[in-house]
Amino acid sequence: DPKIIQKPKYLVAVTGSEKILICEQYLGHNAMYWYRQSAKKPLEFMFSYSYQKLMDNQTASSRFQPQSSKKNHLDLQITALKPDDSATYFCASSQEGTTNSDYTFGSGTRLLVI
Amino acid sequence: GDSVTQTEGQVALSEEDFLTIHCNYSASGYPALFWYVQYPGEGPQFLFRASRDKEKGSSRGFEATYDKGTTSFHLRKASVQESDSAVYYCALGASNMGYKLTFGTGTSLLVDP
Repeated sequence: DPKIIQKPKYLVAVTGSEKILICEQYLGHNAMYWYRQSAKKPLEFMFSYSYQKLMDNQTASSRFQPQSSKKNHLDLQITALKPDDSATYFCASSQEGTTNSDYTFGSGTRLLVI
Repeated sequence: GDSVTQTEGQVALSEEDFLTIHCNYSASGYPALFWYVQYPGEGPQFLFRASRDKEKGSSRGFEATYDKGTTSFHLRKASVQESDSAVYYCALGASNMGYKLTFGTGTSLLVDP
């Protein structure tokens, strides 16, 4: 069974629309993350959360908003979508929010903005 | 800022060949270094890490040694198999970077049977 569930697996969106990417982890981890992968930037850090608190935000645009309703949930809301947002978005988690923890990644949500 | 450089974008080998993928880093302080592997359609998977100078990390026949002098963490495997075909990422995590990992650009390994 997958330890990190990302939904949907594929997503096609119209420019200017809004979408929410879902992430749930069943590893009992305390820290969760979002990364983006595209041809331009292979694995780009976006956000980190520890105990449901934002720890680090490397996303320049406020169009990207993480949402943590439960300890094991970290959704990503993207507003005013642009074609440049097309990428695969990976959710990840780790036991502790330190750089010595092993990260577990989900299988990703592949977003195409047309 | 902190960064990771992987010089090989693609590597093509035959089964039983020796593999080296180069990874060099630039960071202040004493970062932790990682290798991840990504198969098509999947997220990256943790291979191993090293946290101090001269420490060797290893998993599934792959290994790398943390070298602070040369700021390197090169991935090696003595005899590759077709099933090793994947993209390999070197990554760096430093305490002054908060909770994030910084990844290199990745090296695509293709092993012919």
